[in-house]
Parts: sequence; structure tokens; C-alpha cells
Amino acid sequence: EAGVTQSPTHLIKTRGQQATLRCSPISGHTSVYWYQQALGLGLQFLLWYDEGEERNRGNFPPRFSGRQFPNYSSELNVNALELEDSALYLCASKWDRRTEAFFGQGTRLTVV
Amino acid sequence: GENVEQHPSTLSVQEGDSAVIKCTYSDSASNYFPWYKQELGKRPQLIIDIRSNVGEKKDQRIAVTLNKTAKHFSLHITETQPEDSAVYFCAASDPGNTGKLIFGQGTTLQVKP
Repeated sequence: EAGVTQSPTHLIKTRGQQATLRCSPISGHTSVYWYQQALGLGLQFLLWYDEGEERNRGNFPPRFSGRQFPNYSSELNVNALELEDSALYLCASKWDRRTEAFFGQGTRLTVV
Repeated sequence: GENVEQHPSTLSVQEGDSAVIKCTYSDSASNYFPWYKQELGKRPQLIIDIRSNVGEKKDQRIAVTLNKTAKHFSLHITETQPEDSAVYFCAASDPGNTGKLIFGQGTTLQVKP
């Protein structure tokens, strides 16, 4: 069974640009969670998508947004990039909210 | 909202010794507490978890204990090996039942051969 996959692995952007990160959940999982892991810090919750809808968001500005597609894959968009957006962005999928979260390998976003 | 504190931030032990990492949480309504191991450059992987109706859970060299009254839980690794070296994260489930996890800041464990 394929795990959670994320693309791209690395992304380098200039301040002010937009970044798009993608996540494919494990087959059968309908919930996708996005987390930001800044260097030396823990994982901070960004967004939760379930059944195609945004269900909850963390304490991040509106320039962090995303969507979930009918096949349950998800996209995270970060607009007007700032240097402090540089981080590892992790996606996790779950079968439902009470079950184990499986993480992807992450996208390393570097803003220069 | 829920807050999770994790200690220590770094831990160095000799191979064969035990390692203990402790976490506290703030909201008594949290009911699920997983532990993740993240090796350098790799994804976090679940190593053990515990639900609030259980006080202790073991899986070979790894155990987790939960004290609901004190709102803290701990990870115990016995007979440590160099391959146990990694960053360990504790987490607590969102009391709002969203399924999101609130993570501690992580503990870097170094096992010296």
C-alpha cells in the first residue's frame, strides 16, 4: 500500500512569490492535515480538509490556504511568501479523525 | 486551546541505558496521545500511542505511561541502541474532536555507542 506522498520534495521561492505544495493521502483516507515544521520547532497545525471541505485552520494568516480535490488529494498554497515561511511542510492523512495520522515525507520550502 | 510541553529538549544516553521523555498537556478533554519518531530528513513515524482509558502501554523496548489526573504522559525506551537516535515528538489530540494533533517541541535523543 502506498503511503502519503508529497511533491515537490524541495521548493525554492523568492519573497513575495506564491508556492503550491501537493499531497496525496493513503488510499481510502478522506482527511488531510497540513502542518508546518520550522527549523528547531515542533509541528504547528495549519489546515484540515475532509470530504472536500476546509474543516479547521490553525493560527496562520489567510495567505495560507488550500483545497481538497474529489480524489481527496490536497494542495496547500502560500501567497506573498515571507522569509519566515521557510520550513518543512508536512501533510498527514487519516481514515477518520479518531485514527492514526500517517505523514508524508514533507516539502522543504525555502524563501530567499 | 490545548498546549503541550515536552522535556527535555535534548537527551544523551549511553547505549544500553534507558531514556525517558516527558510531556504535559493542558486540556483534560484530550483523549489520544501519540509519540512520533523523526529521523534526520525523514517523515515523522508513529512509534506508540495511548488513549485516555489506559494507563500504560508497551511495545517491546518502548512504553508509554499516562497520568490523567496530573495531565502528563511519558515515553520510556529501554536498552537504547544507536538507531534510536532521532527527534521524538509527543502530541495530544485536539479536545474539539477535529482529529488534529497538538505537538510538543520535540526531544533530540542521542544514543552513544
